[in-house]
Amino acid sequence: GNSVTQMEGPVTLSEEAFLTINCTYTATGYPSLFWYVQYPGEGLQLLLKATKADDKGSNKGFEATYRKETTSFHLEKGSVQVSDSAVYFCALRKAAGNKLTFGGGTRVLVKP
Amino acid sequence: DVKVTQSSRYLVKRTGEKVFLECVQDMDHENMFWYRQDPGLGLRLIYFSYDVKMKEKGDIPEGYSVSREKKERFSLILESASTNQTSMYLCASSLGWGDTEAFFGQGTRLTVV
Repeated sequence: GNSVTQMEGPVTLSEEAFLTINCTYTATGYPSLFWYVQYPGEGLQLLLKATKADDKGSNKGFEATYRKETTSFHLEKGSVQVSDSAVYFCALRKAAGNKLTFGGGTRVLVKP
Repeated sequence: DVKVTQSSRYLVKRTGEKVFLECVQDMDHENMFWYRQDPGLGLRLIYFSYDVKMKEKGDIPEGYSVSREKKERFSLILESASTNQTSMYLCASSLGWGDTEAFFGQGTRLTVV
């Protein structure tokens, strides 16, 4: 079946540091890939997505590239802010499907 | 903006009680979902519905049922609450099949004592 594996947190960084959160997936066919973010006390929000191999999703300074050959969708940001402190979830949806499969989530804490 | 509203932010229930969690979306979405969120396990799908009165089991349906009598409302029912159902419950909706964004409610933190 489909599955998503992401690095365990928490990840603690200083402001302006570089952030990488690794995400790999197992799926048949060509799934769509997503990063969702959950800020404290809130529900999940879509951060970015990519729907085919080599696509790059980007939003709010975050980027992730759909790598079919390594089945990965790593999230990166060049200079984090305190406001980026949140839990980040990698997810996939199989082609023509409507269900999301999530990874375990990675908590990120950015200190001033 | 799409709004997905869950009726309660926090609930405390006793073991054996019948518990209803309600979710309403205001954008005429076809699909609605119930997930539970547990530390280290991410979000796991309990049930989803792709139309009124239609439902499908997700990955962990045991101990739960759902009801969708109207398009905008999707209810999660714990027939007899148990302590291992203490969790954060998240409702989501999306427009249809394929490449559509899922929108989430703020979650209901349920504690079963």
